[in-house]
Amino acid sequence: DAGVTQSPTHLIKTRGQHVTLRCSPISGHKSVSWYQQVLGQGPQFIFQYYEKEERGRGNFPDRFSARQFPNYSSELNVNALLLGDSALYLCASSSSGDSTDTQYFGPGTRLTVL
Amino acid sequence: GQQVMQIPQYQHVQEGEDFTTYCNSSTTLSNIQWYKQRPGGHPVFLIQLVKSGEVKKQKRLTFQFGEAKKNSSLHITATQTTDVGTYFCALNSGTYKYIFGTGTRLKVLA
Repeated sequence: DAGVTQSPTHLIKTRGQHVTLRCSPISGHKSVSWYQQVLGQGPQFIFQYYEKEERGRGNFPDRFSARQFPNYSSELNVNALLLGDSALYLCASSSSGDSTDTQYFGPGTRLTVL
Repeated sequence: GQQVMQIPQYQHVQEGEDFTTYCNSSTTLSNIQWYKQRPGGHPVFLIQLVKSGEVKKQKRLTFQFGEAKKNSSLHITATQTTDVGTYFCALNSGTYKYIFGTGTRLKVLA
């Protein structure tokens, strides 16, 4: 079975641009979470989606948005990019997104903002 | 807000030595998860602890949940070069928000 997939693998953008990152969860998983991991730090929670509804949101500005599609895949959008948005963006899928669920992480998208 | 402290931040050990990382929360936890992230990789789930005082073992890895459910530890016996990576604890804040610890970066010297 395929694991969590993310695209693109790497991305270079300039300040002020917007970016869309994509994630496909493990088959059968209905929950997708997004994390930002700055080099040398732990993953920071951005969003959790379950059954197309936002169920949790971290302390990120409104420039960050996401959505989940009927097939449970998800997109993370970031507008008006700042240099500080440079990071590894991780997607994690889980069966239900409950606190005791195991999260399976994708390989991530490395975003560089110049 | 809820805080998760993880110590030490870095640990260099000789191959064959033991290693322990500690995770401390400011609040009582319902459960805690541990993840390992290899250099250049993504976090991989290791284990989940739920019960007060719970101890779980995976080969050379021993995970413990504190009696008060505010702290946890991961102990590796006789480290190997394959243990290299960053170990994170992670907890759910109760409102579908997940908080990862700062991580402990382990380097094993052959």
